[in-house]
Amino acid sequence: NAGVTQTPKFRILKIGQSMTLQCTQDMNHNYMYWYRQDPGMGLKLIYYSVGAGITDKGEVPNGYNVSRSTTEDFPLRLELAAPSQTSVYFCASSPTGGIRQPQHFGDGTRLSIL
Amino acid sequence: AQTVTQSQPEMSVQEAETVTLSCTYDTSESDYYLFWYKQPPSRQMILVIRQEAYKQQNATENRFSVNFQKAAKSFSLKISDSQLGDAAMYFCAYRGNNFGNEKLTFGTGTRLTIIP
Repeated sequence: NAGVTQTPKFRILKIGQSMTLQCTQDMNHNYMYWYRQDPGMGLKLIYYSVGAGITDKGEVPNGYNVSRSTTEDFPLRLELAAPSQTSVYFCASSPTGGIRQPQHFGDGTRLSIL
Repeated sequence: AQTVTQSQPEMSVQEAETVTLSCTYDTSESDYYLFWYKQPPSRQMILVIRQEAYKQQNATENRFSVNFQKAAKSFSLKISDSQLGDAAMYFCAYRGNNFGNEKLTFGTGTRLTIIP
């Protein structure tokens, strides 16, 4: 019953470093999403994917990159970490993009840029 | 673009009492879905309840129910018989039905405290 798995759970980066946040799901969902949640705020969409090989920008894509080479995995990459990217990152998936399909969320990754 | 507004940053309720969390949204679409998510201190996002815009009947899930007023673009969550485990952040979310617009738009959340 893994669902959506995110690694790592916590990470501290120095300004200018790069890293990849991993997300994998075992439900064979076509749609996957990356959100960030800043303190006291709701989630904002960074990128999403409607299937392997297809990605699109969300509301706040600057400073991030994604790829979707398989149905299961949807990694999020930060190339040059900046303090403004300190946040909690959530990955989510859904079977399709249909509005009746709820999104299943991972447990989040808390990222601090110092 | 769609927007979701939660005007109550914090709410508190006595255990076993009833509380209502407010949510309003703005959209030009006629078919859409609305959700309430719960986020406990563990940070996991948990779906509480969902409502299809074309359904007039309000959704109900055990102690959780909604008051969906489509004309007023209002979608409030009522929690009956509040329990200590209900303490969490609650997020209202909107999802459109147009291809390319399947992403969720979240409100800023309401922190609910349960008073024993």
